[in-house]
Amino acid sequence: AQRVTQPEKLLSVFKGAPVELKCNYSYSGSPELFWYVQYSRQRLQLLLRHISRESIKGFTADLNKGETSFHLKKPFAQEEDSAMYYCALRRTSGSRLTFGEGTQLTVNP
Amino acid sequence: DTGVSQDPRHKITKRGQNVTFRCDPISEHNRLYWYRQTLGQGPEFLTYFQNEAQLEKSRLLSDRFSAERPKGSFSTLEIQRTEQGDSAMYLCASSYRDTYNEQFFGPGTRLTVL
Repeated sequence: AQRVTQPEKLLSVFKGAPVELKCNYSYSGSPELFWYVQYSRQRLQLLLRHISRESIKGFTADLNKGETSFHLKKPFAQEEDSAMYYCALRRTSGSRLTFGEGTQLTVNP
Repeated sequence: DTGVSQDPRHKITKRGQNVTFRCDPISEHNRLYWYRQTLGQGPEFLTYFQNEAQLEKSRLLSDRFSAERPKGSFSTLEIQRTEQGDSAMYLCASSYRDTYNEQFFGPGTRLTVL
């Protein structure tokens, strides 16, 4: 069975500071990893996926298979980054997503 | 097409009543997923369809829950004999069978069972 763990329920940083949201997973195969974001009063939306290896809104995430981690990072946080972030895993394309419990990020002015 | 839509957005019911939710996916999306989210938790998978076929159901989906997608377009999720523990946000997502199969989520239906 697959499992996703986000150890921090709440994370607070100041504007311009670096931010790292942690995600660890357990799965015996080669999963696909994602970060989803939910801004206040908006629906859940995809932020980035590990296979794309892209930077979205200044965020990056690297899949570390040795540590089974997929931490989300941004060098300079902005107030508009304040949101709930969910790490998610899926076994194969098209299959269900398994989500972590989420981290509420607050970026203070 | 403005994305995945769900109806109703909010539902308050009394314990023991039946409720039905509807999800309209993005046009031409052949996969449709249902998730449930309780306070302080991430979404949990319930079931998914490819076209009209229900391909997987979670063990969370007790026999009081049933989902259908009769024509491979919209889907309904019915909960019979609701319990207070069914109170949650019910999310629907859809995806198109391309390389990424990105799941697009609806706004959810918030169910409160009194």
